[in-house]
Amino acid sequence: SYELTQPPSVSVSPGQTARITCSGDVLSYQFAYWYQQKPGQAPVLLIYKTTERPSGIPARFSGSSSGTTVTLTISGVQAEDEADYYCQTTHSGGSSLFGSGTEVTVL
Amino acid sequence: EVLLVESGGGLVKPGGSIRLSCATSGFSFTEAWMNWVRQSPGKGLEWVGHIVRKVDGGTSDYAPPVKGRFSISRDDSKSTLYLQMSNLKIEDTAVYFCTTTIRREYYFGLDVWGQGTTVTVSS
Repeated sequence: SYELTQPPSVSVSPGQTARITCSGDVLSYQFAYWYQQKPGQAPVLLIYKTTERPSGIPARFSGSSSGTTVTLTISGVQAEDEADYYCQTTHSGGSSLFGSGTEVTVL
Repeated sequence: EVLLVESGGGLVKPGGSIRLSCATSGFSFTEAWMNWVRQSPGKGLEWVGHIVRKVDGGTSDYAPPVKGRFSISRDDSKSTLYLQMSNLKIEDTAVYFCTTTIRREYYFGLDVWGQGTTVTVSS
């Protein structure tokens, strides 16, 4: 079965860089997507097609890929970036799969 | 303005059924692949299933935990998505989100979400 693995938590100081990884065999041949979710809110699309940023998303958010691991990088972390982050991919004709989620804490 | 508004959530006993609706506006519903995603209390996002547009066959697919119990349908004349949930289990307790991709260049990135509706399965 398909599975995406993320670290449960990442801590970072303001102004520093946070890197969140997402691993899974399917990522070697499918695009990845990243979402930010704050408490009580719906998720927001941050990255699509592994490295592309939707309009309106700050440039400090970027995506990259290497083999079966994709990474969301937040450069110059701000207090407002404290949230949960999820990766997502697709398989088998468009069915989706989410990662387990990573809680980012801004120290 | 693009809007997705879920409704129909509530308290259901184990083994019971409930139907959720997602009323949409502001985009071409007939062109959209529509998804349901859920989030159990304190847990992560879980894809429930999707239904493709009619021109692509109008078929649906489901995550293994709900296959055979949940059914997704759409009424293009009303721009509304449905999720029929049957034989409900305690672990189906969650906020259920309706979501889709509006901008084609986002491919399968889900750029529009409803606010969610809560289903609680409890005796």
